[in-house]
Amino acid sequence: KAGVTQTPRYLIKTRGQQVTLSCSPISGHRSVSWYQQTPGQGLQFLFEYFSETQRNKGNFPGRFSGRQFSNSRSEMNVSTLELGDSALYLCASSRDRVGQETQYFGPGTRLLVL
Amino acid sequence: GESVGLHLPTLSVQEGDNSIINCAYSNSASDYFIWYKQESGKGPQFIIDIRSNMDKRQGQRVTVLLNKTVKHLSLQIAATQPGDSAVYFCAGGTTDSWGKLQFGAGTQVVVTP
Repeated sequence: KAGVTQTPRYLIKTRGQQVTLSCSPISGHRSVSWYQQTPGQGLQFLFEYFSETQRNKGNFPGRFSGRQFSNSRSEMNVSTLELGDSALYLCASSRDRVGQETQYFGPGTRLLVL
Repeated sequence: GESVGLHLPTLSVQEGDNSIINCAYSNSASDYFIWYKQESGKGPQFIIDIRSNMDKRQGQRVTVLLNKTVKHLSLQIAATQPGDSAVYFCAGGTTDSWGKLQFGAGTQVVVTP
């Protein structure tokens, strides 16, 4: 069974631009969560989608948004990029809510904002 | 506030020895805990999980212990191998909180020959 895939793997943007990252969950998984990983803050939860609905959201500004499609694939968007948005963005999927089903991570998209 | 933190940033272990990685959490509502391993350039890899109604769970070469009284969990790796070198994260969540896991800072495990 294929794992969680994320595209692109690497991305370089400049301040003020916007970016869209994509995540394809494991087949049959309906929950997709997004995390930001930085050396200073570690892994921080961004949001979680289940059956196209956002179920939970972390403490990030409104510049960070996401959505989930009917095939469970998810995208996250960051608008008006700032230098501090440079990070590894991780997507994780599970069949159901975390705690009831194991959450598996993708390899991440490394975003560099110049 | 809520936090899940690790005691030691780096753990150096000799090959063949047992490793113990510790983690403290502050949210008493957390009822689900996971240990992940992250190798350089990769996403976190699930190792083992434990629910708050258990105090011990064993997997292949790994054991997780949960002490709810002091809000502490640990990951024990038996007969540590070079392939175990990685950053290990503990994460906690509540089963009624969709998707949201709170991660510790991570412990770098270095296995020496």
